[in-house]
Amino acid sequence: AQKITQTQPGMFVQEKEAVTLDCTYDTSDQSYGLFWYKQPSSGEMIFLIYQGSYDEQNATEGRYSLNFQKARKSANLVISASQLGDSAMYFCAMREGPPGTYKYIFGTGTRLKVLA
Amino acid sequence: DTGVSQDPRHKITKRGQNVTFRCDPISEHNRLYWYRQTLGQGPEFLTYFQNEAQLEKSRLLSDRFSAERPKGSFSTLEIQRTEQGDSAMYLCASSLGISSYEQYFGPGTRLTVT
Repeated sequence: AQKITQTQPGMFVQEKEAVTLDCTYDTSDQSYGLFWYKQPSSGEMIFLIYQGSYDEQNATEGRYSLNFQKARKSANLVISASQLGDSAMYFCAMREGPPGTYKYIFGTGTRLKVLA
Repeated sequence: DTGVSQDPRHKITKRGQNVTFRCDPISEHNRLYWYRQTLGQGPEFLTYFQNEAQLEKSRLLSDRFSAERPKGSFSTLEIQRTEQGDSAMYLCASSLGISSYEQYFGPGTRLTVT
């Protein structure tokens, strides 16, 4: 079974609009972490945002926020006020186990295209 | 030190040849990870070092693959007798300590096996 599922292979959004990228996960661990990374065409993975399984509030980092719904096992990324530079691949990832655990599992990604 | 660096950025080799990639993590980071990424997929975990100790190795890493981090600083990933299926982007990442959750990725080495 897929541990991380990203069901949207591609998404389009108009510049300055908000967009939600979906991510669901599967784990039996009580302690885990969820991440979103951006991968531009240059190839380098860029960390965007993190949510710990025990964090009660949704994580926010500038224009990025993570809509964490623990019971539904979803961790959607919301990008507000999209910019042309946001066009990239976006990967959802999970760290199973407590902080310090090395095992990270990535989804298959969503390609976002921001339209002018 | 501005980030994780990897060398070479691109490597084209013939099937059956050996290749070696290098990763230089951020200097104070004691954790180092190798991932493989094929087209249209997310990164897949290959192996992990804490300082010089290799603590985990994925079953994706066949006997033809070996990784080292001899002094707990830079790391090398060697692939022996390359196969066309080894063609992929090889990503290195590093992180600091137990409490840090953020991995910093390098630009990757793109391997093409002909």
